[in-house]
Amino acid sequence: EVQLVESGGGLIKPGGSLRVSCAASGFTFSNAWMTWVRQAPGKGLQWVGRIKSKSDGGTTDYAAPVKGRFTISRDDSKNTLYLQMNSLKTEDTAVYYCTTLKPSYFFDYWGQGTLVTVSS
Amino acid sequence: QSVLTQPPSVSGAPGQRVTISCTGSSSNIGAGHDVHWYQQLPGTAPKLLIHVNSNRPSGVPDRFSGSKSGTSASLAITGLQAEDEADYYCQSYDSSLSGHVLFGGGTKLTVL
Repeated sequence: EVQLVESGGGLIKPGGSLRVSCAASGFTFSNAWMTWVRQAPGKGLQWVGRIKSKSDGGTTDYAAPVKGRFTISRDDSKNTLYLQMNSLKTEDTAVYYCTTLKPSYFFDYWGQGTLVTVSS
Repeated sequence: QSVLTQPPSVSGAPGQRVTISCTGSSSNIGAGHDVHWYQQLPGTAPKLLIHVNSNRPSGVPDRFSGSKSGTSASLAITGLQAEDEADYYCQSYDSSLSGHVLFGGGTKLTVL
């Protein structure tokens, strides 16, 4: 059974940094393309970014609102995906979901999410 | 700005059929890119409902179906049940966007 378990969310002041993690199991993590999708309270889904598998180059890509501030990385030895968030803004407040990404660019498995609140 | 437009809300009585539209443009759906649909039950994470326009993952009832034509796509739900009350999101690929992923704004389905 595929499981994605996010952790590391919390309350952080504007301008601060936070790293959230996603522990994966039930599939070959090293072969998977992974993404982060976020959802602000009461709002819709917003894609944050993705990382390819190392065999496909391991490259990252980001949505415009987070480019230059957020970094996605992976540790295949630990089956873990990371999202490093710097220079956080109040508008980054959201539940952050870890997902798998298929070649047709759809998200087939989702974690339960971790809430990041940016507030002074 | 590239967007996928969905109606904010739809409703139907149990047993009825409802459809949710997703209207895009020439840089996403109209360019031939696939459309995918997600269901988000209250207080839970989204779940893949339809992928590549009309394909249901294992475990999704055949009451749910998807279609695509031109610059739009639709999700149809037949034999509406109370448990279908949820938010529904369409998603596609957009060649003009940084990162290329685009979600619709979401549609709240209310079962009357």
